[in-house]
Amino acid sequence: KNQVEQSPQSLIILEGKNCTLQCNYTVSPFSNLRWYKQDTGRGPVSLTIMTFSENTKSNGRYTATLDADTKQSSLHITASQLSDSASYICVVSPNTGNQFYFGTGTSLTVIP
Amino acid sequence: DAGVIQSPRHEVTEMGQEVTLRCKPISGHNSLFWYRQTMMRGLELLIYFNNNVPIDDSGMPEDRFSAKMPNASFSTLKIQPSEPRDSAVYFCASSPVAGGVGNEQFFGPGTRLTVL
Repeated sequence: KNQVEQSPQSLIILEGKNCTLQCNYTVSPFSNLRWYKQDTGRGPVSLTIMTFSENTKSNGRYTATLDADTKQSSLHITASQLSDSASYICVVSPNTGNQFYFGTGTSLTVIP
Repeated sequence: DAGVIQSPRHEVTEMGQEVTLRCKPISGHNSLFWYRQTMMRGLELLIYFNNNVPIDDSGMPEDRFSAKMPNASFSTLKIQPSEPRDSAVYFCASSPVAGGVGNEQFFGPGTRLTVL
């Protein structure tokens, strides 16, 4: 069964600290994995997309990694800011069919 | 560009009433997606269109749900009759590339629906 699981479900960190969010998937055959950031009351915004051959991709203070062998991805946030408080959603697309699979997200709260 | 526009932003209605949600995609985008988001189930894809044609509606939960895209700049999601379990935030998204769900999508602000 194709699934995407994210951990932790929620996380609270101090401003300036780093954190890492996890995404494990069983989707196969794999095409790409995307991380979205969703601010409260807003729609999701794409942060990164990674294909099978990519191991790491950065977008400012956000760095995503992918291990296609173990079917794991992580999103590392460096020097967190209050504006990083949001939900982070992992989305995995297979390379067949028209479906894709969403994780339920990690809720991150950055406190001063 | 104003981005994806959705209306209304909030809708409160009574069970049994018809609800129509509206979406204007980003100009020039070829794909349009409707999602539902709840705390319990997260984001769920309901239906998507390529070049105004419905491609996959397998996520539409019941016959009470229907979606149309009469032209490239407008789409509607209709629920008739509405039920309390339909309460959720409904997002519309558009993508500049037709043909696949893996392409980057640009989301609207969502419509928060409450069915009493």
